[in-house]
Amino acid sequence: DAGVTQSPTHLIKTRGQQVTLRCSPKSGHDTVSWYQQALGQGPQFIFQYYEEEERQRGNFPDRFSGHQFPNYSSELNVNALLLGDSALYLCASSFSRSGNTIYFGEGSWLTVV
Amino acid sequence: AQSVTQLDSQVPVFEEAPVELRCNYSSSVSVYLFWYVQYPNQGLQLLLKYLSGSTLVKGINGFEAEFNKSQTSFHLRKPSVHISDTAEYFCAVVLNRDDKIIFGKGTRLHILP
Repeated sequence: DAGVTQSPTHLIKTRGQQVTLRCSPKSGHDTVSWYQQALGQGPQFIFQYYEEEERQRGNFPDRFSGHQFPNYSSELNVNALLLGDSALYLCASSFSRSGNTIYFGEGSWLTVV
Repeated sequence: AQSVTQLDSQVPVFEEAPVELRCNYSSSVSVYLFWYVQYPNQGLQLLLKYLSGSTLVKGINGFEAEFNKSQTSFHLRKPSVHISDTAEYFCAVVLNRDDKIIFGKGTRLHILP
């Protein structure tokens, strides 16, 4: 049983570009959340998707957007990249009715130059 | 609003010695409490969680934590650490089911030979 898988694992982008990160949740999970972890910091909640809708959002600008597909997989899009967007982006999945069993992927390392 | 404070950014400890990583939280309502571990260049792995019931929670790899409601603390302990415990440890809270996770800034556990 595959856990949470994310792609790509590493990528380098230039300021002003756009990036798309992908996440496949653990089998049976229907809720996907995204977190940003800057170097030396704890993860910060970006947003959560359930039933293809954004259910909650953290304190991130509109440059950060997402999508959830019918198969529960999800994408995180960041437009107009800034140097400060360099971070590890973590995807977490859970099953809405199981309560608090949240699994994390290995993350996507984004470097903006 | 909920918040999590990890009192030590780094904790050095000799191999086979006991360790305690401190965590305090702030919330006006009941929360669920977690400890996650992040090994170098990896994602987050759940160590243990407190949802309700016994205040002493046992987790993986010999770790345990004690929930103290009066002191709003959830300190993590291990009686004898191993070099393989070298990692970043994050304390976290969740307000209710499927809600966002609020992480502390992390404590880096450094095992000395």
